[in-house]
Amino acid sequence: DTAVSQTPKYLVTQMGNDKSIKCEQNLGHDTMYWYKQDSKKFLKIMFSYNNKELIINETVPNRFSPKSPDKAHLNLHINSLELGDSAVYFCASSRQGGTEQYFGPGTRLTVT
Amino acid sequence: GDSVTQMEGPVTLSEEAFLTINCTYTATGYPSLFWYVQYPGEGLQLLLKATKADDKGSNKGFEATYRKETTSFHLEKGSVQVSDSAVYFCALSKGGSNAGNMLTFGGGTRLMVKP
Repeated sequence: DTAVSQTPKYLVTQMGNDKSIKCEQNLGHDTMYWYKQDSKKFLKIMFSYNNKELIINETVPNRFSPKSPDKAHLNLHINSLELGDSAVYFCASSRQGGTEQYFGPGTRLTVT
Repeated sequence: GDSVTQMEGPVTLSEEAFLTINCTYTATGYPSLFWYVQYPGEGLQLLLKATKADDKGSNKGFEATYRKETTSFHLEKGSVQVSDSAVYFCALSKGGSNAGNMLTFGGGTRLMVKP
C-alpha cells in the first residue's frame, strides 16, 4: 500500500505545453503540499491545501494552479511550460496541524 | 524568515567511519526539527525528529539532539554503511497551526560511503 502516490513518475514535454501531475494519499490526512526540488537538490514549498482549501501559496507563478477535488487528492496543473520549470515535484501530506509530513516518490519534469 | 543551513557536501567516508552532518537553524518561536533522507531516485523519507529543546531523535543508528542554545540539530552515526549513501536534509516546521505547516529545508548534504 503506497501512502502518498504521484503520477506520472517522469514527464518530458516541450516549452509552451500544459501538463498536470496527480497526487493521492491514503493516510486520511487533511493537509497536502507541493514542493519543488531544483537541479541542485534545493527543496522549496509551493502550495499547501487543508481540507480542499488553499492555505499557502509561496510566490509561485500563476501558471501553476493546484486543484484539490477532495481531501485525498491534490493535483498540480502547469500552463505554458518554461525551461525553468524542469525539476522534481514532490507531493506530501500531514495531519491537520501536524508537523510530520509524508512524501510521494516525486515527478521528474523535463521541459525541452 | 525562517532558514536552515547545513554543511555542503559531498561528504565521503569509508565504511564504519563516524558521521556528523552539521545543521543550524534560524526561526522565531519553537520549531520542530527533522532529518529527511533521499536515496537515489527516490522520494524523501523521514529519518528522525525532535519537537522540543534537548529532545534526541534517533532511528536506524542515526541520532540528533535539539540544541536551542546553539540553534543546532546535528546528525550523527557511529558507524556508517555503504547503504547509508544518500542525500540528507535538515528541516524545520513551526507546527501548531490548524492550517498546515510547511517545511523549511536546508540545502541537503550528499553522503557517499565507500566499502
